[in-house]
Amino acid sequence: NAGVMQNPRHLVRRRGQEARLRCSPMKGHSHVYWYRQLPEEGLKFMVYLQKENIIDESGMPKERFSAEFPKEGPSILRIQQVVRGDSAAYFCASSQAGRNQPQHFGDGTRLSIL
Amino acid sequence: GESVGLHLPTLSVQEGDNSIINCAYSNSASDYFIWYKQESGKGPQFIIDIRSNMDKRQGQRVTVLLNKTVKHLSLQIAATQPGDSAVYFCAETPPDKLIFGTGTRLQVFP
Repeated sequence: NAGVMQNPRHLVRRRGQEARLRCSPMKGHSHVYWYRQLPEEGLKFMVYLQKENIIDESGMPKERFSAEFPKEGPSILRIQQVVRGDSAAYFCASSQAGRNQPQHFGDGTRLSIL
Repeated sequence: GESVGLHLPTLSVQEGDNSIINCAYSNSASDYFIWYKQESGKGPQFIIDIRSNMDKRQGQRVTVLLNKTVKHLSLQIAATQPGDSAVYFCAETPPDKLIFGTGTRLQVFP
């Protein structure tokens, strides 16, 4: 009964490169959320997706960041032309459909920009 | 803007004692609250949740109290163990996304 799976666990990129972070939700979960966490801080909401739809992207920067959750396969958070300030831990959560369902988290991808 | 905050950044307790972690929230529209535990290098782990039509909910060794009048949440951990050492976050949900506080670090000493 696998939980939320994220890969890679660690990702190193040089400034200007692209970063792709993957998230497979828990079995039976159709909603995916992405959060960002800086050291010693709480998680900040970025985007909420259902299959093939972005429901709320109010927390995501307008430029360089994009997210998708295709009909088949994992959800992808894509960061183009990375900068040092993108260094953070990125967490994915998933939940069942319906109001007030608990979100369950993966162990994150630690992104480091050289 | 809307925020969830915690009163104490670090809480040190002796093994076997009870721990109480507090949280204030500001979004009166939030109707669902969750406590998470985060260990170093891991993602937040669901502990317990509570809906706004309740004021208390109990789990195994944990109790969450909700006071909507003063917009306050607390997490009580009974008989705290070394394995409880972690950062604890409360989170509120205006629908569909979680707003996290900055966290309280719980340190358990023998």
